[in-house]
Parts: sequence; structure tokens; C-alpha cells
Amino acid sequence: QSVMTQPPSVSGAPGQRVTISCTGSSSNIGTGYDVHWYRHLPGTAPKLLIFGHNNRPSGVPDRFSGSRSGTSASLAITGLQVEDEADYYCQSYDSSLSGYVFGSGTRVTVL
Amino acid sequence: EEQLLESGGGLVQPGGSLRLSCAASGFTFNNYAMNWVRQAPGKGLEWVSIISGSAATTHYADSIKGRFTISRDNSKNTLYLQMDSLRADDTAVYYCARSDWRRSDSFDIWGQGTLVTVSS
Repeated sequence: QSVMTQPPSVSGAPGQRVTISCTGSSSNIGTGYDVHWYRHLPGTAPKLLIFGHNNRPSGVPDRFSGSRSGTSASLAITGLQVEDEADYYCQSYDSSLSGYVFGSGTRVTVL
Repeated sequence: EEQLLESGGGLVQPGGSLRLSCAASGFTFNNYAMNWVRQAPGKGLEWVSIISGSAATTHYADSIKGRFTISRDNSKNTLYLQMDSLRADDTAVYYCARSDWRRSDSFDIWGQGTLVTVSS
């Protein structure tokens, strides 16, 4: 069981905006450790979408944005596209575990 | 092009051992810390271990501590994961991933993964 919780699934129609929450605790997000977001299609290499709360690597469209507040973080996807269907994971560092942790993962479905 | 390529996965009996390799290319390998991350069937991503660029420092997830050993050979641009005392719940796709200090230590480059199946 992950120490950072995400909704199992979110869905939206093409062109809509969806958000994925990542609820942590005082030993990870709440301490101020950076939050990163990844997209993953099982069987393929995960891809970095957002690093350091709200920074996008080159090549990632600005439809993806991140935010953080207290012990939680969020990923927003605007202008939802069919190719956005995938699993999304948040990641941070946890001082209690002395290691990195991933969120439980969220499956995004485009209706 | 910066790339990572895992190898060494396969079928192993409970209690057995396996060594995974991750060959890096396209970047200065010893400038970066490296990680192993796994995904069990139907489960999410789980961080396994990290090793610093010089190999001086290593850290492990509690779930594999004492059974797995991470190492690297910077002369060969290769990362390793020695897995001993394997259990059924170690069955997973294992990915190697680069920690990018320029991007808040996020995992910016990933391999395609190698499947480890622990079963009798």
C-alpha cells in the first residue's frame, strides 16, 4: 500500500480538463520534498511529465501542469486527447522511509 | 540519444538468485545517480534502490533490504541489481531509471524494463 494516495481512475471527454490528486503526509509532500509526475503505459518506459512541482521537461506540452498545497499535489491535464489515456503516478521522497515513493497510480480514460 | 537498456530477467525458483543489468548510452554515466523501479502484475510503480554516481552511497526500499544489492561499473556504463532469496512477490517488471540532479532528482530517463518471474 502506497504512502501517497491517488484516485484509481479519472475520465473525461476529449477537450475537457481533468485533475489527478496525490495525497501524501508530513513525511513526504508536507515536508517540502519535490513532487514529480510520470505517465506510464504498461510494458513501456514511464515518461517524466512534471518535475519539481510544476516544471515541464522539453517536449512535454503545456496542457500538463502541476501544483502543490500542504501535504497534497495535483496534476492537471487540459484539452484532453485520446493519446492521454495512460496511468499517471506522482513521486516524492519520504523521510520516514528514507527513500523515494510513488503514488498509487491513476488510470486516465478518455470517453 | 540518451538510452537505458535492461537485461537479465527471466524465470527463477523461489529462493533463487538473478542479476539484472542496465546498459547506459548517450550520456556521461558517472555523473548521475541511478535507480531500480519495479512494477508487479496489476500493481503500481515501486521504487527499489538508488546508487550515487560514484557508487559511494546506496539506499534500498524496506521490502528488499538485505536481499538485493545495487552496484555499478562506470567503466562499462552499466548498472546492476543482484537479487538473492527471491520470493514470489518479487515478480515484476524491473526498470532502471536515471536521477537527474538538474531536474530536482526526478527520474528523467527510463529503460523498457525486464520481466522477472519467481515461481516453482
